Amino acid sequence: GAGVSQSPSNKVTEKGKDVELRCDPISGHTALYWYRQSLGQGLEFLIYFQGNSAPDKSGLPSDRFSAERTGGSVSTLTIQRTQQEDSAVYLCASSLAIAMNTEAFFGQGTRLTVV
Amino acid sequence: AQTVTQSQPEMSVQEAETVTLSCTYDTSENNYYLFWYKQPPSRQMILVIRQEAYKQQNATENRFSVNFQKAAKSFSLKISDSQLGDTAMYFCAFMSGNQGGKLIFGQGTELSVKP
Repeated sequence: GAGVSQSPSNKVTEKGKDVELRCDPISGHTALYWYRQSLGQGLEFLIYFQGNSAPDKSGLPSDRFSAERTGGSVSTLTIQRTQQEDSAVYLCASSLAIAMNTEAFFGQGTRLTVV
Repeated sequence: AQTVTQSQPEMSVQEAETVTLSCTYDTSENNYYLFWYKQPPSRQMILVIRQEAYKQQNATENRFSVNFQKAAKSFSLKISDSQLGDTAMYFCAFMSGNQGGKLIFGQGTELSVKP
């Protein structure tokens, strides 16, 4: 596609429910990143993928959070038993490679509201 | 651990004037990149400018330029001839040479350009 696509754009869920957030990176981009942006805050790194493997999961806040990537393309971030503190914008980015001189392109994010 | 600090939560500037946004960072590394991203209300992060730490010359992109002071670990963004479309959140970000393309963001500065 022309850019990084995320779905849904907005999601309202009840506390305790599971949610899945989807990221469709730019075609050919091997690196994919997930970030979380809480209200009025900067972006917090969650996890990144090189191909289908996730070398760095250090940013995942708890074991309720997991992510996978299949076929080196689409990635899904899953939050189980959602809590109100999970409310945030979840942003995905992709880049051609894991290298400092490659630009990361961001999607428009999914705004998650847990009520 | 690396940290990025933006000490100005909000700033405003008159259209056509010049404004400077501040950013400081902390790292013990020598090999890294620094970035400024713009986030308009659409939520999509847009790369404004980037600086390689090994380059002494300050990066410029049209109306945007940086003042990179490596010894002081300072990386400010100057916007010249401010335009209404520059109104957005601006984030300073750090990328290490050995952490897989992960970006560490500051808290952001909300810039308002007034007509």
